[in-house]
Order: sequence, then C-alpha cells, then structure tokens
Amino acid sequence: KAGVTQTPRYLIKTRGQQVTLSCSPISGHRSVSWYQQTPGQGLQFLFEYFSETQRNKGNFPGRFSGRQFSNSRSEMNVSTLELGDSALYLCASSALAGANPGGTDTQYFGPGTRLTVL
Amino acid sequence: ILNVEQSPQSLHVQEGDSTNFTCSFPSSNFYALHWYRWETAKSPEALFVMTLNGDEKKKGRISATLNTKEGYSYLYIKGSQPEDSATYLCAPTGNQFYFGTGTSLTVIP
Repeated sequence: KAGVTQTPRYLIKTRGQQVTLSCSPISGHRSVSWYQQTPGQGLQFLFEYFSETQRNKGNFPGRFSGRQFSNSRSEMNVSTLELGDSALYLCASSALAGANPGGTDTQYFGPGTRLTVL
Repeated sequence: ILNVEQSPQSLHVQEGDSTNFTCSFPSSNFYALHWYRWETAKSPEALFVMTLNGDEKKKGRISATLNTKEGYSYLYIKGSQPEDSATYLCAPTGNQFYFGTGTSLTVIP
C-alpha cells in the first residue's frame, strides 16, 4: 500500500499571502489529521476530518482551515500568513477517527510540508 | 488540552548502552498511549500502542511499559545502535492525540 503523501514538500510564501497544502491518505483510510511542528514545540494538533466532516479542532486561529473530499484527500488552508506560521505541517491518516473509539487506532504520517513565510 | 511531558529532552549514549525515557500524562480521561519514532528527514513511525495498566510491548530491542494509574510510560532501548538515533514521541489519546515534545536520542558509535 502506498503511504501518506503530501504536496508540496516545500513552500516559500510572504506575509499576507495564503497557502493550500494537500494530503492524500492511505487507501481505505477515512480519517485525516493535521499537525503543526515548530522548533521546540511538540506536534500541535490542528484538526481532524473523518468522512468529509471536521470531528475535532485544535487551538488555532480561524486563519487555519481545512476540508476533506469524498475520496478522503484533505487540504489545509492558511490565510493571511504570518511569520510565525513558518513550520513543518504534517498530516496523518488512520482507518477510523484518530482517537475514537478507544484511542487505539494508529495514525500514519506523511513526510510533511515545510512552509517558510518571509 | 492534555499536558504531556517527556524526559529527558535529549540524550547522548554510547553504542551498546541501554537507555530509557519517560512520558508523563494526566491519568484521567485516558484512552491509549502511543509511542512514535521520528528519524530526521523521515515521517514519524508508529512503535507501540498500549491501553491497559501494566501493559508491556516489545519490538526487537525496544520495549515499553504503561502505568495508567499514575500516568506514565517508559520506553526502553537495550543495546543502543546508531540507527536508533531519532526523536521518540509519546501521545496519550483523549479525543485526539496529544503529543509530547519528544526525547531526542543520539547514539554515538
């Protein structure tokens, strides 16, 4: 089975612009979660989508949004980019919802998109 | 938000040494505890998932234990090898994965 893929792998934007990142989950997986990683921080949870519905959302401003398509592919959008948005953005797919039920479903991560905001 | 602490933050050991790290988390609203290994320039890779108090899991030279009553998990690496160099992340789950900041392990040949 092909793994989780993310495009693009690297991106350079300037402040005020917007950006869209894409994630294709493992075939058959219906849940996609997005995480942000910045130096010194753990993986910060952005949101999770399951069957095209946002099931859970982390503590990020409304500039961060996402969606999931009927084929389970997901996109994440960040509008009005700020310097602090420079980070590695990871997506992870799982067969069921990322943490429900029972919390045992493993998440499989993509290689990430490195976003640099100048 | 669930506060997850991992210690130590970083660790340098000699090849052949055994080592262990700790993941601490609030024991309430606990569902499961996941461990991941994250090598530089690669994707995080799942190692273990544990749910029950007293659970022990093993994969080669790496093993993990879980204490849900006191809210901690240990990860052990026996006879560390350079290829074990990575950041090890733990993530207890509630309604989402709550990742710690990780323990960065460097194994010196």
